[in-house]
Amino acid sequence: QVQLVQSGAEVKKPGASVKVSCKASGYTFTGYYMHWVRQAPGQGLEWMGWINPSSGATKYAQNFQGRVTMTRDMSISTAYMELSSLRSDDTAVFYCARDRSYSNSRLLFDFWGQGTLVTVSS
Amino acid sequence: DIVMTQSPDSLTVSLGERATISCKSSQNVFYSSNNKSYLTWYQQKPGQPPKLLIYWASTRESGVPDRFSGSGSGTDFTLTISTLQAEDVAVYYCQQYYSAPPTFGQGTRLEIK
Repeated sequence: QVQLVQSGAEVKKPGASVKVSCKASGYTFTGYYMHWVRQAPGQGLEWMGWINPSSGATKYAQNFQGRVTMTRDMSISTAYMELSSLRSDDTAVFYCARDRSYSNSRLLFDFWGQGTLVTVSS
Repeated sequence: DIVMTQSPDSLTVSLGERATISCKSSQNVFYSSNNKSYLTWYQQKPGQPPKLLIYWASTRESGVPDRFSGSGSGTDFTLTISTLQAEDVAVYYCQQYYSAPPTFGQGTRLEIK
């Protein structure tokens, strides 16, 4: 069964960086794009970008360009999302989510990680 | 970017009754080349990640109860829960995947009366 298991909650100071991991199991990691989605407390969903685990190619949403870096480690089937220059309004739950389409970015998400709460506070 | 607008923001329905949620896109999300609308619905229960319910506007994901149905085309879409169950209490989101960036509606909170 497909599982995406994310790293635990983080507390960071403004200006710092955070790196969240997403370990995939139950399917061929390199076959499906991985996306990251942000959800501020009590708010809606915001797409951050994707990584192609096979090639390492990335595409980032304009709102996060220059601050986000998505990487992967194929040897351990894990995707990472690093967000830098954190601000208080970056306080949110960050989700990884698998694209439903094999070897393509359909932008449709069929499996989600449990979420990682990142709190930015001085 | 395509703007997705849901209505209502919140909805209270009695058990066993029908719940209907609307989603409108600022641009057409229908591709005539494959006759598909690139519109999906998610359900998010408190403390949980979103769950894929429906894609291509009307195709239920495997394992989703048939009381959930989606309809619509072009820019206007509807999620219907035919007979509301207690476990359907959640926030529901529509999302377009017609073009990047994928964008979500603001969500509709569904509660039991």
